[in-house]
Amino acid sequence: EAGVAQSPRYKIIEKRQSVAFWCNPISGHATLYWYQQILGQGPKLLIQFQNNGVVDDSQLPKDRFSAERLKGVDSTLKIQPAKLEDSAVYLCASSPWTSGGGEQFFGPGTRLTVL
Amino acid sequence: QQPVQSPQAVILREGEDAVINCSSSKALYSVHWYRQKHGEAPVFLMILLKGGEQKGHEKISASFNEKKQQSSLYLTASQLSYSGTYFCGTPNNAGNMLTFGGGTRLMVKP
Repeated sequence: EAGVAQSPRYKIIEKRQSVAFWCNPISGHATLYWYQQILGQGPKLLIQFQNNGVVDDSQLPKDRFSAERLKGVDSTLKIQPAKLEDSAVYLCASSPWTSGGGEQFFGPGTRLTVL
Repeated sequence: QQPVQSPQAVILREGEDAVINCSSSKALYSVHWYRQKHGEAPVFLMILLKGGEQKGHEKISASFNEKKQQSSLYLTASQLSYSGTYFCGTPNNAGNMLTFGGGTRLMVKP
């Protein structure tokens, strides 16, 4: 079974530039999460989708971050404009459980460096 | 609120045991444990759903004390492959969002 796919794996941009990350969850998984993991810290949830609807985006900085999940499958996370403090690994995870309480399967992440 | 993990880091020799603790300031209904190796994605270890429940995965087990609002992860006879950062995650009241602790870095040496 294929795992969660993310691209790109690495991205370096200048501050105030825009960047987008892509995630393809495990086939059939209804729930999709985006996390931000700053070096040395635990993952912080940014947004949760169930199918193509947003369940919770209370921790998403909406002035610069946006995310969508078209057709309830792939998802993109965008940052516009980027700040230095956005340097982190962005992890996508998916789960077959709609309640959100079950095991989450993480992708390899995208390491973003903002200069 | 973020759960608090202790210790922040531990170094073991192969074959030694370790305990990692996770405590919360709010009521807990479940605790999730993940391990993340350097440069890799977090990998699920186990979920504890009921107070007092203990689960095991090979020589890694965990307990959940609902009254004390804490969980402990026990690594017995550690192996080199156990090295990594261990995170506990606690759900919000709706049970749909996980908040992860700061992690415990475990290094097992030969």
